[in-house]
Amino acid sequence: DAKTTQPTSMDCAEGRAANLPCNHSTISGNEYVYWYRQIHSQGPQYIIHGLKNNETNEMASLIITEDRKSSTLILPHATLRDTAVYYCIAVSSGSARQLTFGSGTQLTVLP
Amino acid sequence: DGGITQSPKYLFRKEGQNVTLSCEQNLNHDAMYWYRQDPGQGLRLIYYSQIVNDFQKGDIAEGYSVSREKKESFPLTVTSAQKNPTAFYLCASSLDHSSGYGYTFGSGTRLTVV
Repeated sequence: DAKTTQPTSMDCAEGRAANLPCNHSTISGNEYVYWYRQIHSQGPQYIIHGLKNNETNEMASLIITEDRKSSTLILPHATLRDTAVYYCIAVSSGSARQLTFGSGTQLTVLP
Repeated sequence: DGGITQSPKYLFRKEGQNVTLSCEQNLNHDAMYWYRQDPGQGLRLIYYSQIVNDFQKGDIAEGYSVSREKKESFPLTVTSAQKNPTAFYLCASSLDHSSGYGYTFGSGTRLTVV
């Protein structure tokens, strides 16, 4: 699976959009981009995933660049409960895989 | 409600003792996983199982053992051979092992060896 690079930490004001970047310049054609988040001392929670097209669900939006070398997770109206570590992961489909979590981005939503 | 149950939430053991962490799921998932997390670090894979009676080593399997006798259960034993066992342990399951979608994690067990 491709290596991903994320900033160590970010701050965001409550009510504003949080934009979390992820670099995956070596991603291959069959690798999906997945985002999970982990609130302190809990298990990670799935947020969203995508291959080429931008995706949106009730939690977030995922914007993937046309060359697929980077992506951005957008939390449109961040709340204090969105404070967590966010993990960006590249995962191949159709073969035996297990998720590999890096250090992620610590997002702190400020009141 | 369906989910993964890890027990206990906190566990204290003396150095040199083996200890077994429980993980049970009622999601009818085929694949199960054990991860270790140290403070300020990401998750590292210890063992995973794609099907009953089968499991594979992950990146940091030394000093750990697992069994998968039932689909619902994937206990992890931290043996005395594990040099630094104090950590946060997370169990996860997924419907199958072929994608990253639909991983469900337990709430974790924090093991402290004194």
